[in-house]
Amino acid sequence: EPEVTQTPSHQVTQMGQEVILRCVPISNHLYFYWYRQILGQKVEFLVSFYNNEISEKSEIFDDQFSVERPDGSNFTLKIRSTKLEDSAMYFCASPLAGGLNTGELFFGEGSRLTVL
Amino acid sequence: GENVEQHPSTLSVQEGDSAVIKCTYSDSASNYFPWYKQELGKRPQLIIDIRSNVGEKKDQRIAVTLNKTAKHFSLHITETQPEDSAVYFCAAIGYNFNKFYFGSGTKLNVKP
Repeated sequence: EPEVTQTPSHQVTQMGQEVILRCVPISNHLYFYWYRQILGQKVEFLVSFYNNEISEKSEIFDDQFSVERPDGSNFTLKIRSTKLEDSAMYFCASPLAGGLNTGELFFGEGSRLTVL
Repeated sequence: GENVEQHPSTLSVQEGDSAVIKCTYSDSASNYFPWYKQELGKRPQLIIDIRSNVGEKKDQRIAVTLNKTAKHFSLHITETQPEDSAVYFCAAIGYNFNKFYFGSGTKLNVKP
């Protein structure tokens, strides 16, 4: 089975603190995604990243959020100043094939963020 | 953008019965429709998908049907088992093939 690895699995932080969530997507793939799932709700698109640039972002992805690929493999989601409503499960995802219309979107195990 | 509606939000069936979950989409350019199963505390996992050039696809106890004219697609699970209990999400790929739009999810409970 392909590997999309996320760390940490769970992070608890105080409101206003910065959080960095990390993902190692399927190797050699150019497309990466971050999705968010508030407890009991649907999976919501945050941002897509293609060839080291943001391809598209949702209205959720405001100035408090940023994504980077600092070392060519790891893929990070940073929340600069967390709010209570940022508490959610954050999923990194990578298509199995070259792009979404060619195959499955494979999700990592998720990082649960709890903001107190 | 695309808008995906899913219903019912919860579905309770007796073991062995069939379950049907329905989704509608708004963008006629969408051409790929996956279904994901999410067990409690786990990641969504693809269970079946369908492309717009076919009307039905089956994989053992799971089938998906697509009506392009009406812009709706459905998941059918036959002979349900307790391990089918999970949240199921439908999705449609947007016109620019850049992201999935997910439905709001259906919590399926299969009673033994």
